[in-house]
Amino acid sequence: EVQLVESGGGLVKPGGSLRLSCAASGFTFTKAWMSWVRQAPGKGLEWIGRIKSNADGGTTDYAASVKGRLSVSRDDSKNTLYLQMNSLKTEDTGMYYCTTDPAHINDFWGQGTLVTVSS
Amino acid sequence: DIQMTQSPSSLSASVGDRVTITCRASQGLRNDFGWYQQKPGKAPKRLVYTVSSLQNGVPSRFSGSGSGTEFTLTISSLQPEDFATYYCLQHNTYPYTFGQGTKLEIK
Repeated sequence: EVQLVESGGGLVKPGGSLRLSCAASGFTFTKAWMSWVRQAPGKGLEWIGRIKSNADGGTTDYAASVKGRLSVSRDDSKNTLYLQMNSLKTEDTGMYYCTTDPAHINDFWGQGTLVTVSS
Repeated sequence: DIQMTQSPSSLSASVGDRVTITCRASQGLRNDFGWYQQKPGKAPKRLVYTVSSLQNGVPSRFSGSGSGTEFTLTISSLQPEDFATYYCLQHNTYPYTFGQGTKLEIK
C-alpha cells in the first residue's frame, strides 16, 4: 500500500522556522520526483516546489512566493521528503501536502500537515 | 508564469446532468496538463493526466480533452459523489500553476 505521511506542522510565530517531513512507502521513492503543494484556509491549491530524483540530478524549482525562504530536500536512505520553512509569514498559513510530481503517471498524496503562522 | 483561467468558478447541477469545466492557459502547454478533484477535508486526487488519460480507478464518466491553451473536463452523468471542487494544473513550465478551482454543488 502506498503511503505518504506528512509531519512537522504546527503553530509558529512570524519570522520563525519549521521543517516538514513526508515519509514515503509502498513505491520506489528513489526514482520519484516529488512536489509540495499548499492550500490556505478556504482557498485554492498552490504548487510551491519540486525536487527531482537524485538520478535526475536532485535539482529543485520553486514558486516565486516561497523562493529563498522555503527549500525542498530529500533523504533517499530514509525514503523521506523535507520542506524547510524559514522566515515564515502569516500568508504561509495553510495545509501542506507532499505529492508525487505531476509528470509521473502515478498520483500519490499525503493527508497533509497544517502550518499556522501567527503571533 | 503561466496563468490558468478556470471557469466557471462555481456550478450548480443535478444528478444525471452533463457538466463541462474549462481551463485556459496563457500559453501553450503541449500535454503537460491534468485535472484534480478535491473533497472537503481531503487531499486532492488526480482524475486526468496528459490532457485526456484517465487515472486508474477513475470512472469513465470523466473525460478530458483539449490542446494548446484550452482544455475541458467533462462529467457525462453526474453522480452524488462527484460534488466536489475541481482544479486544473499545468506542469509544462515552472512554476507549475493551478486554476482557481470550480466548486460543483448540488442544485
